[in-house]
Amino acid sequence: KQEVTQIPAALSVPEGENLVLNCSFTDSAIYNLQWFRQDPGKGLTSLLLIQSSQREQTSGRLNASLDKSSGRSTLYIAASQPGDSATYLCAVEAADMRFGAGTRLTVKP
Amino acid sequence: DAGITQSPRHKVTETGTPVTLRCHQTENHRYMYWYRQDPGHGLRLIHYSYGVKDTDKGEVSDGYSVSRSKTEDFLLTLESATSSQTSVYFCAISPGTGAGQPQHFGDGTRLSIL
Repeated sequence: KQEVTQIPAALSVPEGENLVLNCSFTDSAIYNLQWFRQDPGKGLTSLLLIQSSQREQTSGRLNASLDKSSGRSTLYIAASQPGDSATYLCAVEAADMRFGAGTRLTVKP
Repeated sequence: DAGITQSPRHKVTETGTPVTLRCHQTENHRYMYWYRQDPGHGLRLIHYSYGVKDTDKGEVSDGYSVSRSKTEDFLLTLESATSSQTSVYFCAISPGTGAGQPQHFGDGTRLSIL
C-alpha cells in the first residue's frame, strides 16, 4: 500500500525567506505527483503536476522536483509572502491517488 | 478554476437519515471522484466514476453509494448516516488517468451527523 509522508507537519518562516517542503512515498511505480494548496475551510488548488518521466516543474515562485527512484519530491517556494500561508499537500497517483497529511505553512510579515 | 460545484456546502443531519451530496462539473471530464478529509487521515478516496453509469470503489467505500446518470453529475449517498461519517467531502474531476492528467477539486461539503 502506498504511503505518503510530508515533513515537516508545520513550518513558520519570516517573509522573504526561501523554503523547501518535503514529500516522500513508498512505492515508486507512480504516474504523477501533484502538489496542492489548501486554505482553511477551502478546497484544494492544484499548484504543480510532475509526470513520472519528469524531474521538475516550475510555476512562478514555485519549483517542484521529483526523484522517483528514491521516492522523494520537494516543493521550493522562493521569496515567501504572507499570502503563501496555507497547508500544502502532495499526492501520488498510481492505481488511485494517495495524499500526504500536509505541511501547514505560516509566513510572518 | 475548474468548473466544479458541490451542493450543499454545509449540512447537519441526524444519525440514521439518508443524505445525498451532489457534484456538478462543466468541464466534460470523464473521471469524477469523491473523497473525504478527516484530521489525522488526510484525504481518502470513497468512490470514483470513469463514465456514465461506470463507477468503482475506493479505499473507504463502506456505507456509501454513488450514481452517475449524466456526464456532469456525480452523486454520493449515505443510505443511513452514522456519526463516523461526519467529515468534509470533496469532489474532484480529471480528463483521464495516467501521466499528465491532473485532478481538480471542488470547494467541499461540510457534513455533520449528530
